[in-house]
Parts: sequence; C-alpha cells; structure tokens
Amino acid sequence: GAVVSQHPSRVICKSGTSVKIECRSLDFQATTMFWYRQFPKQSLMLMATSNEGSKATYEQGVEKDKFLINHASLTLSTLTVTSAHPEDSSFYICSARLTPGQGHGGYNEQYFGPGTRLTVT
Amino acid sequence: AQSVAQPEDQVNVAEGNPLTVKCTYSVSGNPYLFWYVQYPNRGLQVLLKYITGDNLVKGSYGFEAEFNKSQTSFHLKKPSALVSDSALYFCAVRDNRNSGYSTLTFGKGTMLLVSP
Repeated sequence: GAVVSQHPSRVICKSGTSVKIECRSLDFQATTMFWYRQFPKQSLMLMATSNEGSKATYEQGVEKDKFLINHASLTLSTLTVTSAHPEDSSFYICSARLTPGQGHGGYNEQYFGPGTRLTVT
Repeated sequence: AQSVAQPEDQVNVAEGNPLTVKCTYSVSGNPYLFWYVQYPNRGLQVLLKYITGDNLVKGSYGFEAEFNKSQTSFHLKKPSALVSDSALYFCAVRDNRNSGYSTLTFGKGTMLLVSP
C-alpha cells in the first residue's frame, strides 16, 4: 500500500525558533496534501490543504504567516512553524491524496503519515 | 457543510463481549465514510471504508460497519472485543461530489477501553 512518511517524528525546540516538518509520499504522486493538528485526546483539525505548485488554502483561524506550507513537488510538502511558542506544541499529522483520476471509480484514497510530536519549551 | 458526530467520548467493554462505537454524519451529497484507529503517539490507520456497493463493510482486525442512509449512521462493530482493540477511534466523512477535491471531516473520536 501507499506510504506517507514524516520527518522528524519528534522535535523539541525553544520558544522563538522555527521548525520544519517534512511530509513525503514515498511511492505515489500526491497532487494534494493536507496538514492536521491534534491536541491530546482530541480530534484532528484540518489546518490547510496544499496543492502542488500553488499556494496552500488555510482553514479559518489558522495563521498562514505562522504556519508556512510549501508543496514544491508531487511527493513533498513541508510545514514550517515560525517563531514557535509553547501553545504551538501539538501532534502534527500530514496526509497525501492520490492525484484525481488515479483512484478507483472516481474515488482517490487519502493516506496519513505517522505524525510529528512538536514540543516548544 | 459536512459534519460527523460521535456521541460517546469513551466506550468500555469487557474482553470477549461485542462492541459498538457510534457515528452519525451529515453531508450534502453522498458520503464516503471511514473509520480510523489511532494508537498513542501514532498516526491514523484506516480500519474500513464505505465508498459504494454493499452497505455492510468488513475491515481489518474483525471490525465491520454498516452504512445506513436513512439514519445517516455508520456504526463500528466487532462481535468479540480484544484488549488490544483499546485505542482511539475516529469516524470520518467525505462528500463524493467532486471527490477529487473534497476534504475529510473527522468526528471528535471515541476512546475504546477493553478490560481483561
């Protein structure tokens, strides 16, 4: 099956610094990638939808200048948390979707990465 | 707008007993429906999905779910629970119109605890 990787799996950074999280689709091309944030024992909240070669679409309430998303290729999207603060500490999960038309009967599968635990001290 | 409701924060069941985790949804078009499981500090694993066809969907680890269009439900079931089934379960929905571009909406999750 299709695999999505994230790097790093865990990161600890100091307040005020920036941290970059990578999301890769290892064996398929993903026109669209998604970034989710999850607080402890809570649901996944969609932060932004990233389309290859274009600007990401952010959900309401998500600061685009704080959470920079770059989807430079069909297999790589990055999320950079700029000027991180302790309240940014969370579990960040990316997801990649098959390019439309590659799926079965119009449905295109969405695959999830293993997540990145960010702790800001 | 689409939404998913998981009315139970937690479900407790004894090992060997049947389990049900409830999910209802709202979507404008016809739904794609999913159940995901998440173990601590891990990403999501898809358990099963309804795309089209038979309303009864069988998935991994003996789980199944029935798509009920009239009740807009997609409850997750297993005939005999295992302690190893203890995890966080998410129901999710996508609108199948313009399916290449529709987004996935998650329920708030239900913690399943199976006691020995």
